[in-house]
Amino acid sequence: QVQLQESGPGLVKPSQTLSLTCTVSGGSISSGFYYWTWIRQPAGKGLEWIGRIYSSWSTNYNPSLKSRVTMSIDTSKNQFSLKLSSVTAADTAVYYCARGIVVLPADWGQGTLVTVSS
Amino acid sequence: QSVLTQPPSVSAAPGQKVTISCSGSSSNIGSNYVSWYQQLPGTAPKLLIYENDKRPSGISDRFSGSKSGTSATLYITGLQTVDEADYYCATWDSSLNIDVIFGGGTKLTVL
Repeated sequence: QVQLQESGPGLVKPSQTLSLTCTVSGGSISSGFYYWTWIRQPAGKGLEWIGRIYSSWSTNYNPSLKSRVTMSIDTSKNQFSLKLSSVTAADTAVYYCARGIVVLPADWGQGTLVTVSS
Repeated sequence: QSVLTQPPSVSAAPGQKVTISCSGSSSNIGSNYVSWYQQLPGTAPKLLIYENDKRPSGISDRFSGSKSGTSATLYITGLQTVDEADYYCATWDSSLNIDVIFGGGTKLTVL
């Protein structure tokens, strides 16, 4: 059973870059055809898809965030990562990493709260 | 405003059945698979239904799903207080270049 765990700073200053890592255990990140995905959820609100990196390392980002998002994979550490630049208070949310099968998320991490504040 | 429309809330008594709808269009639900997720308070979403009507291993058969045209429905039978949660539908949209779109979520209250 695959497990995912997010990690990274819980507090980021406005205009800086948010950086999160998702560590995958119970399976190799480079095997199979999975969509390694980031999703976020502001407090009291719904889910927003941020983007994904596919097994061929192709990426697709939400158009509303595309100019600020970068995703990558580190196969040696079985991790994938998210960078979101020029953050504002509107980027404060719980960030989830997930593994998708046939695109849609199937397995989720527990989530990590990131607060943007000076 | 989500592309997928869910009722903000539904409620029913323990033991009853409830349905949660998810309405979309031909470019999303009408042509792609739908998944459903349960999010208990303070926890991550959990996959309940995938490919419209399939249950992952370990998910109770009290949960079922269907899709017809541009709408999908989640059914929960034999309601229990532990089912009180937020429920989200999801699919992708062939015209938006977005891999995953979520419904706005439905809060289920078990009275």
